Amino acid sequence: GDSVTQMEGPVTLSEEAFLTINCTYTATGYPSLFWYVQYPGEGLQLLLKATKADDKGSNKGFEATYRKETTSFHLEKGSVQVSDSAVYFCALSDPSTNTGNQFYFGTGTSLTVIP
Amino acid sequence: GAGVSQSPSNKVTEKGKDVELRCDPISGHTALYWYRQSLGQGLEFLIYFQGNSAPDKSGLPSDRFSAERTGGSVSTLTIQRTQQEDSAVYLCASSLGAGGRETQYFGPGTRLLVL
Repeated sequence: GDSVTQMEGPVTLSEEAFLTINCTYTATGYPSLFWYVQYPGEGLQLLLKATKADDKGSNKGFEATYRKETTSFHLEKGSVQVSDSAVYFCALSDPSTNTGNQFYFGTGTSLTVIP
Repeated sequence: GAGVSQSPSNKVTEKGKDVELRCDPISGHTALYWYRQSLGQGLEFLIYFQGNSAPDKSGLPSDRFSAERTGGSVSTLTIQRTQQEDSAVYLCASSLGAGGRETQYFGPGTRLLVL
């Protein structure tokens, strides 16, 4: 079945460091891919998404490219800030299958950015 | 406008009691999801409602769990005869439509502790 595997945390970086959080997926059809972020004390919110292969989602300096050949959707940011400290979730939905309305989430990666 | 709201924000109950968790989706959103987030785990899909269609209950972990959505708006998740393993954060999300490509908007969650 469909699933998402993301990099284990926690991750601690210094301000202005480069960030990569790995995410790979397994899907039977043509999934849409998402990154959600959960800031301390807040609910999950969409960070970015990509709905087809080679699409690049971007928001707030974060980027992720939908790579079908490597079944990956790694999250990157060139220069992190303290305010980026949060838990990041990779997610998948597969509209082309019978479970198209279900979303599959990774376990989350906690990021702490220190000044 | 208002986001997704959930109540209560925290619930402590004794093993064997029934609990009801409430979700108010964003007005006009036809799709509503319930998830469970256990400590150190990703989000586990529980149930999905779309308009007047029969809900997708495939994620409910046991027959102690049930959910309703009245009038296509408010939803209630009921857990009967709670067990300690039911302790988790229960998240509700809504989206404008279905199909797996729509952005989900999450509520703040209900933190359930079963003693």
